Amino acid sequence: QMQLQESAPGLVRPSETLSLTCTVSGASISHSSYYWGWIRQPPGKGLEWIGAVYEDGDTRYNPSLKSRVTISVDTSKNQFSLSLRSVTTTDTATYYCVRHFGSIDWSDPWGHGALVTVSS
Amino acid sequence: DIQVTQSPSTLSASVGDRVTITCRASQNINVWLAWYQQKPGKPPKLLIYQASTLQPGIPPRFSGSGSGTEFTFTISSLQPDDFATYYCQQYDTYSVTFGQGTKLEIK
Repeated sequence: QMQLQESAPGLVRPSETLSLTCTVSGASISHSSYYWGWIRQPPGKGLEWIGAVYEDGDTRYNPSLKSRVTISVDTSKNQFSLSLRSVTTTDTATYYCVRHFGSIDWSDPWGHGALVTVSS
Repeated sequence: DIQVTQSPSTLSASVGDRVTITCRASQNINVWLAWYQQKPGKPPKLLIYQASTLQPGIPPRFSGSGSGTEFTFTISSLQPDDFATYYCQQYDTYSVTFGQGTKLEIK
């Protein structure tokens, strides 16, 4: 059964770069024909899609975050990663990695989530 | 960007009740809508996609309907395990947005 697991630093300083990696087990990103994405949820709030990457490296981003986000894929490690630059306290959230069906359609499965706090 | 307005934000109901949640999209999204259930401290769980297709393993008391800009999600007979927060999500050509969420509480 496919599982996704986020790894994250926990605490990031304002103005720095937040970096997360998602490791996929039970399936291969290569030749999967899926987009692999990131979704975040600030404490006590709703869900926000950040962006996604295809196995060939094609990326799609939320326009509101596009200037600060890079998502990449490493098929040799069966991982994909998120980099969010110039973070502020409003970027504090639980970050989920997901598999997207179709052209970034519904998401299943989801990782357990990683809480990242932006604070000095 | 396509906006999704979900209502109500909170819903109080009892075990056995039939409940309905509504999502309205700011433009025509055909049937490109999914529904998720989220419990505290857990990731969202996919229930329905393409507006009305039940994800395998999801009980048939959950259902979805609608197309265009108006969508509904229904639980036909609430069970104790159903008290959670529910989100709709539209997906339209590489663009994803979520509704604000509906917290389903025990009356």
